[in-house]
Amino acid sequence: EAGVTQFPSHSVIEKGQTVTLRCDPISGHDNLYWYRRVMGKEIKFLLHFVKESKQDESGMPNNRFLAERTGGTYSTLKVQPAELEDSGVYFCASSQDLIGGPIFGQGTRLTVV
Amino acid sequence: DQQVKQNSPSLSVQEGRISILNCDYTNSMFDYFLWYKKYPAEGPTFLISISSIKDKNEDGRFTVFLNKSAKHLSLHIVPSQPGDSAVYFCAASGRFSGGYNKLIFGAGTRLAVHP
Repeated sequence: EAGVTQFPSHSVIEKGQTVTLRCDPISGHDNLYWYRRVMGKEIKFLLHFVKESKQDESGMPNNRFLAERTGGTYSTLKVQPAELEDSGVYFCASSQDLIGGPIFGQGTRLTVV
Repeated sequence: DQQVKQNSPSLSVQEGRISILNCDYTNSMFDYFLWYKKYPAEGPTFLISISSIKDKNEDGRFTVFLNKSAKHLSLHIVPSQPGDSAVYFCAASGRFSGGYNKLIFGAGTRLAVHP
């Protein structure tokens, strides 16, 4: 069974540019989460999809971040325009149930210069 | 303000000995706790969890202990192996905070197991 897959694995962009991160969850997992780890600190929750609906987006830093999940399958996280403080590792996770520990992807390392 | 704290950024243990990783939390309403392990350039991997109705949960070499009165949990690895060298994240969740998979993570503890 394929795991959670994220693209790209690494992205370097200039401040002010736009970047789109993609996540393909495990097939059949209705729950999809985005998390972020900045500067080697704790991993922080960004948002939670149930199928195509945003269940909780309380962790999104500001309106420069836009997440979508078309048709309840893959998800994208767009940062526009990117700022230096957006640098970090963005993790996607998915789960079938609402408890038990979501399964994480390998992450996308975003560097804004 | 951090709700989940892992006060030891690193830990070094000899192979075969016990590794004890600690975690403290501030909100007594958290009722589900997890440990994840992370290797470089990989995502966190779920290791073990414990519900607040228990004080201990075992899975092979890994045991998690929960002390609710102290708001403290610990992960014991016995015996430690070189392959256990990784960053270990403690996480807490609860229905009150938005659901059990909306995890509040600590900053992680880097475990090095040396021969």
